[in-house]
Amino acid sequence: GQNIDQPTEMTATEGAIVQINCTYQTSGFNGLFWYQQHAGEAPTFLSYNVLDGLEEKGRFSSFLSRSKGYSYLLLKELQMKDSASYLCAVINDYKLSFGAGTTVTVRA
Amino acid sequence: KAGVTQTPRYLIKTRGQQVTLSCSPISGHRSVSWYQQTPGQGLQFLFEYFSETQRNKGNFPGRFSGRQFSNSRSEMNVSTLELGDSALYLCASSLASDTYNTEAFFGQGTRLTVV
Repeated sequence: GQNIDQPTEMTATEGAIVQINCTYQTSGFNGLFWYQQHAGEAPTFLSYNVLDGLEEKGRFSSFLSRSKGYSYLLLKELQMKDSASYLCAVINDYKLSFGAGTTVTVRA
Repeated sequence: KAGVTQTPRYLIKTRGQQVTLSCSPISGHRSVSWYQQTPGQGLQFLFEYFSETQRNKGNFPGRFSGRQFSNSRSEMNVSTLELGDSALYLCASSLASDTYNTEAFFGQGTRLTVV
């Protein structure tokens, strides 16, 4: 079975840093994705990790530890437009399993 | 380039009816996946197709089916609709062939309401 956990909600101040954790227990693992979804819109790709370590892409970074079944998404220099749901997803054998998503609210 | 196109955007059906949703992937993309999104369950994987072959499927009843055509366009069908089938149905396409690290591009979805 697939079990992917992430916090339901997080709130942070504009300009701050927020870290969204994701833990997973899955029957197989071919990589982990992070997606961003604004209300009423389609999810958009943020990052992909398959090897342990940190991947940095502008203000967003994603970390993976396969031995711990753990990933995090780090959002730096938060902007109001970063208010959205962030989805952690594990791919195994062409099947993408999503966590329930973390709603991040950025306050001025 | 044009994105993933899903039609229709909104649909209202009655319990017991059947529905067909359509997805046109980005040109050149041969993998199409379908997902159901509800407030309670989040995004749930339905099935994935590549070159007209279903490579994996989620844990949904047999009332949910899909297919992919030679031009990579895909359809999903839900028969004998139930109230619980009301959801946003999302389609995603990618270049993925035998690798996993390709980004999936999502369409805007079809909002299905069953009454």
